[in-house]
Amino acid sequence: QKEVEQNSGPLSVPEGAIASLNCTYSDRGSQSFFWYRQYSGKSPELIMSIYSNGDKEDGRFTAQLNKASQYVSLLIRDSQPSDSATYLCAVGGAAGNKLTFGGGTRVLVKP
Amino acid sequence: DTAVSQTPKYLVTQMGNDKSIKCEQNLGHDTMYWYKQDSKKFLKIMFSYNNKELIINETVPNRFSPKSPDKAHLNLHINSLELGDSAVYFCASSQRGGEEDFGPGTRLTVT
Repeated sequence: QKEVEQNSGPLSVPEGAIASLNCTYSDRGSQSFFWYRQYSGKSPELIMSIYSNGDKEDGRFTAQLNKASQYVSLLIRDSQPSDSATYLCAVGGAAGNKLTFGGGTRVLVKP
Repeated sequence: DTAVSQTPKYLVTQMGNDKSIKCEQNLGHDTMYWYKQDSKKFLKIMFSYNNKELIINETVPNRFSPKSPDKAHLNLHINSLELGDSAVYFCASSQRGGEEDFGPGTRLTVT
């Protein structure tokens, strides 16, 4: 069983729509949760971090965490073609700084 | 520019050779990492150093040896390269675990 699971996509959304990405994790002791964006041929860049249950908003991005269901999601509002990328969910374990990444969801925003 | 830098960007070599990748960060972070991203884009941690001390050592063949001469530098030496070592290797640093700044990556191709 994979420790962090994401739908690989591609998730195709029209420009201006909301993109909804989901991620589940297996380690119930996980303490920290992150979303990274990776453009093709580039390095991952952190776009959101969330540490407690509920929603966290930053611009057009909203991260949602539900520790009871072991589920974290990312919403991208008013999607733009520049949002087309692979989005990596990463989970920090209880034991320290180790991050476990999911396989990523590829998002395609069509004009 | 404040950043994480890696050299070389591309590395093409034959099986059995030994090669090194260098990484430097000028962000003042205490922790540095090596990640491997395979052809399926799966990103996995290999090693982590905190202030020159090895704190994460994942199940990696002992042909891979990290070295941290100071907290701003983390190098990766690979002995007896194999075809399966072909991947993109990312260096990263962080001050707060999980909130990694990634370098541009080194694409290693073993022929």
